[in-house]
Amino acid sequence: NAGVMQNPRHLVRRRGQEARLRCSPMKGHSHVYWYRQLPEEGLKFMVYLQKENIIDESGMPKERFSAEFPKEGPSILRIQQVVRGDSAAYFCASSPNRDNEQFFGPGTRLTVL
Amino acid sequence: QQQVKQSPQSLIVQKGGISIINCAYENTAFDYFPWYQQFPGKGPALLIAIRPDVSEKKEGRFTISFNKSAKQFSLHIMDSQPGDSATYFCAASGGETSGSRLTFGEGTQLTVNP
Repeated sequence: NAGVMQNPRHLVRRRGQEARLRCSPMKGHSHVYWYRQLPEEGLKFMVYLQKENIIDESGMPKERFSAEFPKEGPSILRIQQVVRGDSAAYFCASSPNRDNEQFFGPGTRLTVL
Repeated sequence: QQQVKQSPQSLIVQKGGISIINCAYENTAFDYFPWYQQFPGKGPALLIAIRPDVSEKKEGRFTISFNKSAKQFSLHIMDSQPGDSATYFCAASGGETSGSRLTFGEGTQLTVNP
């Protein structure tokens, strides 16, 4: 059984570019969560999605950030016009339903130059 | 009201000793309390979790103690091993406001000396 997969594992962008992070949940999981971890800090919730729906985006910055989880394919976290403060590890977690455990992927480490 | 406070920030334990990490929460609607272990460069891995209907849960060397009235819960690692050296995060979720999203503590860096 493959776990949660994220790619790329490392991403380097210059200020002003776009970053696109992908997450494939575990087989049978239709709930996806994105979290951000700044250096030496805990994880902060960003957004919760089910297939084709955003359920809770209360942790997502209002500008430049968007997320989707289409009917087919991985969930995408998109950061437009990246700034240095966006440098962090971005983790995706999946769950079979909203009341079950969340299993995390290995993360994407974004560095903005 | 959404905070989860974790202590200590770092912990050094000798091999074979007991590691104890504490967390306190404010939101009384929280009803799910997991602990995650994270190694450098890796994603968090679920260790053990508890719901408020029990006061203790044990899985192998790992035990969660839960005190609902004090709004506190703790992780005990018995017979700590060097391989347990990692960062540990407590988390909480539940209630209408928070739903299933996890609110994490700030983490505890555990070092187990041989």
